Amino acid sequence: DQQVKQNSPSLSVQEGRISILNCDYTNSMFDYFLWYKKYPAEGPTFLISISSIKDKNEDGRFTVFLNKSAKHLSLHIVPSQPGDSAVYFCAASEPNSGYALNFGKGTSLLVTP
Amino acid sequence: DAGVIQSPRHEVTEMGQEVTLRCKPISGHNSLFWYRQTMMRGLELLIYFNNNVPIDDSGMPEDRFSAKMPNASFSTLKIQPSEPRDSAVYFCASSYGTRDGYTFGSGTRLTVV
Repeated sequence: DQQVKQNSPSLSVQEGRISILNCDYTNSMFDYFLWYKKYPAEGPTFLISISSIKDKNEDGRFTVFLNKSAKHLSLHIVPSQPGDSAVYFCAASEPNSGYALNFGKGTSLLVTP
Repeated sequence: DAGVIQSPRHEVTEMGQEVTLRCKPISGHNSLFWYRQTMMRGLELLIYFNNNVPIDDSGMPEDRFSAKMPNASFSTLKIQPSEPRDSAVYFCASSYGTRDGYTFGSGTRLTVV
């Protein structure tokens, strides 16, 4: 049973524009959310995170928004660059879970020149 | 540090054979995780260890799967006997105790024919 859902398998955006990747979750016990980025033939790498006590976290071109009432989070990339083309995974964890993460299936982002 | 090291990178085996995947976590990390990535299910947690002790193996699909961590610098995931539906990319990750601290290996692509 998928507790973290990324309903868009793929997204294509022009260079310089905003990329918005969405994620929904069903488990109200989740208190920490993360985004990972994955290039082909490599493992996922940590990108940005947000605690449930916040509704926004920003790191350079990357901003994550959390809407707890809707159980929804999104990752904004502004401006998008061709090097951002990768698969993005949304992940979430519960407190006292030993840092185990629940991942979504991923969204493949393609940024075209 | 060389990061999380997984071997082999690719494994092709015949149905019914035993397969052993290996992982060397980052020195100093005290949590180790095995994940499996498939198109259907995305990234799913199989098992994780804390201080070399298995904490949660509820994600291990069947008794054919087993994992060990005999010391802080080595872990194995074994499948015996292997089946075609086990074909996937298997990732090992380690962490030093924060949810942002996950470092993934490059994965082992397993194909069972």
